[in-house]
Amino acid sequence: DADVTQTPRNRITKTGKRIMLECSQTKGHDRMYWYRQDPGLGLRLIYYSFDVKDINKGEISDGYSVSRQAQAKFSLSLESAIPNQTALYFCATATGAEPQHFGDGTRLSIL
Amino acid sequence: QKEVEQDPGPLSVPEGAIVSLNCTYSNSAFQYFMWYRQYSRKGPELLMYTYSSGNKEDGRFTAQVDKSSKYISLFIRDSQPSDSATYLCAPSKRAAGNKLTFGGGTRVLVKP
Repeated sequence: DADVTQTPRNRITKTGKRIMLECSQTKGHDRMYWYRQDPGLGLRLIYYSFDVKDINKGEISDGYSVSRQAQAKFSLSLESAIPNQTALYFCATATGAEPQHFGDGTRLSIL
Repeated sequence: QKEVEQDPGPLSVPEGAIVSLNCTYSNSAFQYFMWYRQYSRKGPELLMYTYSSGNKEDGRFTAQVDKSSKYISLFIRDSQPSDSATYLCAPSKRAAGNKLTFGGGTRVLVKP
């Protein structure tokens, strides 16, 4: 079983719809992150959380919101999806000084 | 200008060759330097990381950091077709588990 699980793996939806991407982890890590990946741009940080009560904006948080329901769960929402939010979305976890571990991503297409 | 720059490639090499990848950055506050490998339709996986300047070797992989010139390198010896992937450099200002700033990645193709 994967340590960091993202659901769904693929999603196609329409402009204006509300979308939720979910991430769960079995690693027991306290820190969780959401990134998006666009061709040639690497991964850019959307939001991050150091524990359940600590949520922080990343460099591209506009149009997104998050919820840390439990230490093991971190959800990303697009309140009203727009086509330029079409991308690969990755969740990552970390603890202490350990490097981040990533899930296998959600491929999101917004028509 | 991006904080972290990588040549997007693709870098095509024959099997057994040495793959040389590099990354430049502009923020002198970066202290930890990670290399991730990403296969198609998969998430990035950590290859290795180094702290401050110097070299680190792990099997066929060697990472070098030159903070004076803000230049990071990754070398893959005896390359295999299974090394075909995108390689992402990701420096961090604090510990390796903290916020990362990713380069755009270099795509590598190792031909049998």
